[in-house]
Amino acid sequence: SQQGEEDPQALSIQEGENATMNCSYKTSINNLQWYRQNSGRGLVHLILIRSNEREKHSGRLRVTLDTSKKSSSLLITASRAADTASYFCATDGSTFIFGSGTRLSVKP
Amino acid sequence: GAGVSQSPRYKVAKRGQDVALRCDPISGHVSLFWYQQALGQGPEFLTYFQNEAQLDKSGLPSDRFFAERPEGSVSTLKIQRTQQEDSAVYLCASSLAGKERQQYFGPGTRLTVT
Repeated sequence: SQQGEEDPQALSIQEGENATMNCSYKTSINNLQWYRQNSGRGLVHLILIRSNEREKHSGRLRVTLDTSKKSSSLLITASRAADTASYFCATDGSTFIFGSGTRLSVKP
Repeated sequence: GAGVSQSPRYKVAKRGQDVALRCDPISGHVSLFWYQQALGQGPEFLTYFQNEAQLDKSGLPSDRFFAERPEGSVSTLKIQRTQQEDSAVYLCASSLAGKERQQYFGPGTRLTVT
């Protein structure tokens, strides 16, 4: 498989809690992106972090990138039921590679 | 404005049939990507166009898969002699330029090969 790895594969939390998901990749990259996919729908871009950045924020989202460890994390703060979805990281090395995804379930 | 559209949304094909999946990218988007997504998995890269040039087709699983974008806008992914393992959702995405930019995804075409 060409995919990177994400953990956990599945995460279930209560509304209001924070959710953290991690992504590891294998090749050198220019950027790393995170996407969300609601069941049965296309992917929606959340945030892009460049290889020379270490942390980036967008609303309730916080992304970190550690190029020495080839890993990234996505933190969603104060989660809502509407955040229930699958989350994927994607890297643009020699080709464009998506991780296997974390399925997040936020219970009201 | 209009997003990326794909047609058909659902396609059922008998094994051995040829299928053609269409993608209409966002107007003005230079780059276009095709992905294959199996149930419960992340999208797997198939191929990438910049305008009409197919710059990367390393993800196409076999020579039964063929993609084109003759005028640098609409793209078609063709699968010849479909097999059951081709059953998946095929996603198209477009971006302003290059792999490093944010991609805008279509809703996908769900292909079922019986």
